[in-house]
Amino acid sequence: GAVVSQHPSWVICKSGTSVKIECRSLDFQATTMFWYRQFPKQSLMLMATSNEGSKATYEQGVEKDKFLINHASLTLSTLTVTSAHPEDSSFYICSAAAGDTEAFFGQGTRLTVV
Amino acid sequence: AQTVTQSQPEMSVQEAETVTLSCTYDTSENNYYLFWYKQPPSRQMILVIRQEAYKQQNATENRFSVNFQKAAKSFSLKISDSQLGDTAMYFCAFKAAGNKLTFGGGTRVLVKP
Repeated sequence: GAVVSQHPSWVICKSGTSVKIECRSLDFQATTMFWYRQFPKQSLMLMATSNEGSKATYEQGVEKDKFLINHASLTLSTLTVTSAHPEDSSFYICSAAAGDTEAFFGQGTRLTVV
Repeated sequence: AQTVTQSQPEMSVQEAETVTLSCTYDTSENNYYLFWYKQPPSRQMILVIRQEAYKQQNATENRFSVNFQKAAKSFSLKISDSQLGDTAMYFCAFKAAGNKLTFGGGTRVLVKP
């Protein structure tokens, strides 16, 4: 199957700082990338959908100014958590889709804000 | 809006036995896809099996098979000959054509030796 690489796997940052998470499709061009947040023992919650070269579409309740998404190329999307606070600590997962049938997931990033 | 429901929060099964996970969904779409994903302790999401709604034949991948009942909007997953490595969270997911994935709440499967 296609490979999606997410980096970093885990990150610890101080309150008030920003952190960037990268999602790369390694062997295919991703027309659409998705960003999810997952709390412990819960399902994946879609945060936003991004298409290359256009603004991301955010789900209801997700602050677009806090969670900045950039999809500058067909193989790279980034999620920047700005002015992070402890409540932003979570597991973030990206997925990438080349067509309409299947999306491939990155390994996830565990963010801890102290 | 589509919804996906997994009614079993947790299930346990003896090694080599069979376990069936239930999933129901609600949609007005006619063209869609259904998926089962596995999330082991590493938290990497792994596609287990996929079903196209227009196909009547149930999908099978080795020890994993589904029972797709379109009229009942049901999509259960059967794991045969359970192995210790099958211990994981399992998520049922729905995707209409041109749309995003909608996940169920998940079922935790524990395979006991």
